[in-house]
Amino acid sequence: SQQGEEDPQALSIQEGENATMNCSYKTSINNLQWYRQNSGRGLVHLILIRSNEREKHSGRLRVTLDTSKKSSSLLITASRAADTASYFCATDADNAGKSTFGDGTTLTVKP
Amino acid sequence: DAGVTQSPTHLIKTRGQQVTLRCSPISGHKSVSWYQQVLGQGPQFIFQYYEKEERGRGNFPDRFSARQFPNYSSELNVNALLLGDSALYLCASSLRGNPNEKLFFGSGTQLSVL
Repeated sequence: SQQGEEDPQALSIQEGENATMNCSYKTSINNLQWYRQNSGRGLVHLILIRSNEREKHSGRLRVTLDTSKKSSSLLITASRAADTASYFCATDADNAGKSTFGDGTTLTVKP
Repeated sequence: DAGVTQSPTHLIKTRGQQVTLRCSPISGHKSVSWYQQVLGQGPQFIFQYYEKEERGRGNFPDRFSARQFPNYSSELNVNALLLGDSALYLCASSLRGNPNEKLFFGSGTQLSVL
C-alpha cells in the first residue's frame, strides 16, 4: 500500500486563486518531496523539505511539514492554467531512489 | 544537457510475452530507479541500482528483473506478462541515490498488455 495519501483527490479552481493540497504519511522520513505530473508522463521535481524543516518556499510554491502529525501541505499561490496537472507527495525513509508516492491530487485551473 | 531518456515510449504486448525497457540517466548520475504507475495511482517503487548493484527492490514478483550497465544505463525486464502489468513505467536517476537527493524522471514507457 502507498505510504502517502493526498487530499483532496481532485481540486478545481479559477486562475488567480490559491490551491492547497495535503499529504499524510505513515512512517518516519528523511524528507518529503512534491512532484508535478502533466498528462500521465514524467514527474517533475518541485520542492524538497527535510524532516528538520517546517516550511519552505520556491517561487509561487509554499510547502509545510509537520512531522508530529505526519503531514505536509503544498500551497500554489496565484494559480495559472499551466499549473493544471497531478501533484504527488513522496517520502524518503531510506534514500531518494526508493521514494514512496501517494496517489496524487489532480488540480484543474480554469482560465 | 539531456535529461533521463527512456525507450520505447509506447509498447504493446500480449499476455505471456516478455518485454525489455531501457533507460539512460542524466550524465554523471550513478543511481537509477524504476517505478510502475498504474492509471489513477501514484508511482510504485520497483528497483534501485547504484554502481551496477541492486540497492533495493519493491514488492514485485520475480517476473520483474533489472540490471545496470557500466555506463549507468539500465534495463527493466518483465517476463510472462499479465494484463495487470499494463502501466506507465518510469525511470528516475539521481547522483548517488543518497537521502535528500532530487530524483529526475524520464517521460516513461507506456506498456499495454493485451
